Amino acid sequence: RKEVEQDPGPFNVPEGATVAFNCTYSNSASQSFFWYRQDCRKEPKLLMSVYSSGNEDGRFTAQLNRASQYISLLIRDSKLSDSATYLCVVTLMNRDDKIIFGKGTRLHILP
Amino acid sequence: EPEVTQTPSHQVTQMGQEVILRCVPISNHLYFYWYRQILGQKVEFLVSFYNNEISEKSEIFDDQFSVERPDGSNFTLKIRSTKLEDSAMYFCASTNRAGTDTQYFGPGTRLTVL
Repeated sequence: RKEVEQDPGPFNVPEGATVAFNCTYSNSASQSFFWYRQDCRKEPKLLMSVYSSGNEDGRFTAQLNRASQYISLLIRDSKLSDSATYLCVVTLMNRDDKIIFGKGTRLHILP
Repeated sequence: EPEVTQTPSHQVTQMGQEVILRCVPISNHLYFYWYRQILGQKVEFLVSFYNNEISEKSEIFDDQFSVERPDGSNFTLKIRSTKLEDSAMYFCASTNRAGTDTQYFGPGTRLTVL
């Protein structure tokens, strides 16, 4: 099983729709969780951290289910500017410097 | 807003040559990282560096790779004898606190090995 696995994508979604990304991780010692976005040929940029209680930032909602080792990201009212690759990122407990990226899910928002 | 910078933006080299990729992390950050991303593939962790030493490295980071923080501001990645498969985007990142804090990424150096 891959350490961090994401939906393969790409997702082609009309503007205004709601999009959901899923991510699973294999190591139960995983400690911290993040969603990054990466535009084509650019560096990853933090979108949001993911907490057990779930967190929301405007149109974006992230959730963590430690029992199922599952992370999600929901984008509501999607905009053209949301088109990017969304990366699930996990760090391992007691090895704070081991950061593992998922392969990413490409999102295309269609006008 | 402070940012991580990297030079050069694009490096072309012959197979077998040494390359040094340079990064200037955000000034008050303490933890530094190198990642690589082969075209079309995922971002892969190479190495982390704290308190002037390597704290973690991946299987990719073999004897051909080394890192250094020579002057308290620059953070460099050296590849001693480049191979074709080293062609990738190399990202530097820094953070104030490992694990839980945001990592800030530089814009990357595109390395092309011919």
